Amino acid sequence: GAGVSQTPSNKVTEKGKYVELRCDPISGHTALYWYRQSLGQGPEFLIYFQGTGAADDSGLPNDRFFAVRPEGSVSTLKIQRTERGDSAVYLCASSLGENTGELFFGEGSRLTVL
Amino acid sequence: GESVGLHLPTLSVQEGDNSIINCAYSNSASDYFIWYKQESGKGPQFIIDIRSNMDKRQGQRVTVLLNKTVKHLSLQIAATQPGDSAVYFCAETPPGGYNKLIFGAGTRLAVHP
Repeated sequence: GAGVSQTPSNKVTEKGKYVELRCDPISGHTALYWYRQSLGQGPEFLIYFQGTGAADDSGLPNDRFFAVRPEGSVSTLKIQRTERGDSAVYLCASSLGENTGELFFGEGSRLTVL
Repeated sequence: GESVGLHLPTLSVQEGDNSIINCAYSNSASDYFIWYKQESGKGPQFIIDIRSNMDKRQGQRVTVLLNKTVKHLSLQIAATQPGDSAVYFCAETPPGGYNKLIFGAGTRLAVHP
C-alpha cells in the first residue's frame, strides 16, 4: 500500500516480556517518527530518525525503550521488560523531509501489557 | 476497538454549520503550528499548518487563525459535514525543533444531521 504500515496492529503481552513493533514508512520518505498515544490524550513524541540515525531520541521514557532503522527505511521500536504503564497505541509516521509538520501516520500498534 | 479521546471536550454542531475549534498552546517561543484530525482507530491526519510570521492561513474548507499575543490557535471548518466528525489536535514545535511535535489534548467534533 501507499501509506505507513505498522505491525502488529494489536499486541497483548505479559509484564516483563520483550516486545518489538515494526514500521514500514512511505517509500522515499527519509524522516521517520515514533509517537505514543494513551487513551484520551494527544500523541507524545518518542524518537525521530533522519535516514539511519536517530536525530532526536529525547522522548524515549527510559532505557527499556530503543528504536532502530538500520537501512534507512523500516524501523523497529523495541521495549524490554514491559510494564503495565507501557500500554498505549504506538504510532509511527514518516515525512518527505525534515522541518515539516506534515507527517503521515500509520494506524498504530496497540500494546496491552497485562 | 476503543475510541481515542473518550473524555475529551466535545463540540457538537449541525451539519452545514461552521465549526470553530480552539487551542491554547504552551510555549510563547513556538513558531510553527499544525492541526491534525484523528478518526477512531486511525492515525492522525494532517490538515493545515501555519508559521508564526502569519496570523491566518486558508485551505479547502478550513482556516487556521493564530494569535501569538494570547498563545491561541483556532481551526475553522466551513459547512461542516458528517465526515468531519473526529478528534482534532493542535500541535506546536519548539524553536528549531520542527521535527518534534508537541500535541495538545484534543477536541472531539460531533456533527449531527
